[in-house]
Amino acid sequence: NAGVTQTPKFQVLKTGQSMTLQCAQDMNHNSMYWYRQDPGMGLRLIYYSASEGTTDKGEVPNGYNVSRLNKREFSLRLESAAPSQTSVYFCASKGEGYTFGSGTRLTVV
Amino acid sequence: AQSVAQPEDQVNVAEGNPLTVKCTYSVSGNPYLFWYVQYPNRGLQFLLKYITGDNLVKGSYGFEAEFNKSQTSFHLKKPSALVSDSALYFCAVRDISGEYGGSQGNLIFGKGTKLSVKP
Repeated sequence: NAGVTQTPKFQVLKTGQSMTLQCAQDMNHNSMYWYRQDPGMGLRLIYYSASEGTTDKGEVPNGYNVSRLNKREFSLRLESAAPSQTSVYFCASKGEGYTFGSGTRLTVV
Repeated sequence: AQSVAQPEDQVNVAEGNPLTVKCTYSVSGNPYLFWYVQYPNRGLQFLLKYITGDNLVKGSYGFEAEFNKSQTSFHLKKPSALVSDSALYFCAVRDISGEYGGSQGNLIFGKGTKLSVKP
């Protein structure tokens, strides 16, 4: 089925550990996004990529890095995880509308 | 500053009754407005959007939304609620100015409203 695939679905990290969240879409969309969702705060944009080879900061980019590996894949990296990064992370791609992945629930202890 | 407000954290409705989930916005220029729904442990799903044209927009699953320019509102409505409509609903506006990071076109989301429909 066409859509946005995120891995992993769940992850627990210790403070200071690093990890990469993976995202892939098979809809041939140019634009891809990483959001975080926190209770009572809605979704906030971390980084986005308007096309292969380009990335830009969103509203809350601190503590994160991204890579647009190719048109399909857009990864989000936490170099040194902090408890404040405990959240649910969503990847999305934009064609005529936005398509969201099912999310990665990350806990940093 | 551009913003979206959802004044209710939660809306409770009895099955079969009409439902309204409220959204107000603040943008410079003409707004592009969206509603998304999120079921538990799932990503957001598109319901409907307003770009231009008729103020009453029809979307998926029997939902509709009314754009009111004078009141800067875009309330989501459904004539008869179902228990299966219980979910988290997000209103969003397109970031025209780019103030929330990046170029124009990214979405600015409200905080979400939890809809609970009881049998």
